[in-house]
Amino acid sequence: EVQLVQSRAEVRKPGESLKISCKGSGYSFISNWIAWVRQMPGKGLEWMGIIYPYDSDTRYSPSFQGQVTISADKSITTAYLQWSSLRASDTAMYYCARQSSSKEYDYWGQGTLVTVSS
Amino acid sequence: QSVLTQPPSASGTPGQRVAISCSGSSSSIGSNTVNWYQQLPGTAPKLLIYNNNQRPSGVPDRFSGSKSGASASLAISGLHSEDEADYYCAAWDDSLNGVLFGGGTRLTVL
Repeated sequence: EVQLVQSRAEVRKPGESLKISCKGSGYSFISNWIAWVRQMPGKGLEWMGIIYPYDSDTRYSPSFQGQVTISADKSITTAYLQWSSLRASDTAMYYCARQSSSKEYDYWGQGTLVTVSS
Repeated sequence: QSVLTQPPSASGTPGQRVAISCSGSSSSIGSNTVNWYQQLPGTAPKLLIYNNNQRPSGVPDRFSGSKSGASASLAISGLHSEDEADYYCAAWDDSLNGVLFGGGTRLTVL
């Protein structure tokens, strides 16, 4: 069974760093791109970027380039999303998702809620 | 600002048919396939339609998708109360070199 399991909810202060994770299982982790998607409170889905765990090839949406870093460790079948300096506007639910052949996202993680507040 | 345009809301009564539109551009829907996602309240999105009109295993055939030019549509026939959710279209965009999501349509079953 394909599963993407994300790390737990986090609360941080503005200016702090954070790294959240997404662990894949039940399939060949290196064979599919993994995407990160943001959903701010009460808002729609926003594509942040994707990574190919086989060689860590990474693409970012222009809206998120330079704001976050996407990485992966294929040895432990885990993808990451990290911030070096959080802002209150980063408060959101973050989902990882597996990209399949028609660039559809066929499996999703359960989401990680990030709250940034002083 | 979403470059895939959906109506913010739609509604219907049980048993009715509703359609949700998604308008894009030549670099998005006009050149690539469309996928649809259903997000029930408080849950992660779920793939509903992929490759314009294909249903993943387990998705009822009440859900169907179509595409024409730079626009796409999701149709739901025989509405059920449990269909009340947010629906998002998505497509790769060759200019962005990434995925675009529509702004989402909240479906209410009256």
